[in-house]
Amino acid sequence: AQSVSQHNHHVILSEAASLELGCNYSYGGTVNLFWYVQYPGQHLQLLLKYFSGDPLVKGIKGFEAEFIKSKFSFNLRKPSVQWSDTAEYFCAVNAPGNTGKLIFGQGTTLQVKP
Amino acid sequence: DAGITQSPRHKVTETGTPVTLRCHQTENHRYMYWYRQDPGHGLRLIHYSYGVKDTDKGEVSDGYSVSRSKTEDFLLTLESATSSQTSVYFCAISEGRPENQPQHFGDGTRLSIL
Repeated sequence: AQSVSQHNHHVILSEAASLELGCNYSYGGTVNLFWYVQYPGQHLQLLLKYFSGDPLVKGIKGFEAEFIKSKFSFNLRKPSVQWSDTAEYFCAVNAPGNTGKLIFGQGTTLQVKP
Repeated sequence: DAGITQSPRHKVTETGTPVTLRCHQTENHRYMYWYRQDPGHGLRLIHYSYGVKDTDKGEVSDGYSVSRSKTEDFLLTLESATSSQTSVYFCAISEGRPENQPQHFGDGTRLSIL
């Protein structure tokens, strides 16, 4: 069965520090990949997505992610975090033909200290 | 933000009672989903719908049923609520097949079963 692993459960950074959140999935075929963010008390919002093409994907608010097929990874990065980036981040995977079954990782809580 | 309204937003009820959560969308999207969010598990798919009266099970469907009699409404029912169903429930929609389109989420319903 497909699974998604986010290795960092809780990350604490100071403002201006660089961020990288890991995401690995277990599926050997073609996948679509997503990062969602959930700010405190709010619903999930799409940060960025990868369907095909350039493996370096740019999203909103300065976030980017790189798809490395050989490593089954889709890590999220931001060069300089802000206090407002404090949130929970979810990686998700969907395999074509797996209708409706978006598989989420466990989530990573990011706390940015001012 | 996508036009998704979940009701109620909060509910406290007792074990053994029936509970129905409603998801209403104004986007005329074909696909609708119900997830539950629990600490350490991320989001897990309960049921989804790919059209009026067309539904299918997700990974945690036991104890839940759904109905979709109109494009805009997707109901989630707990026939006899149990304490293990205490969770935050999110509805999501997508315009097309999930492998081609991202999902957009509602604000969630916080359900407590005592």
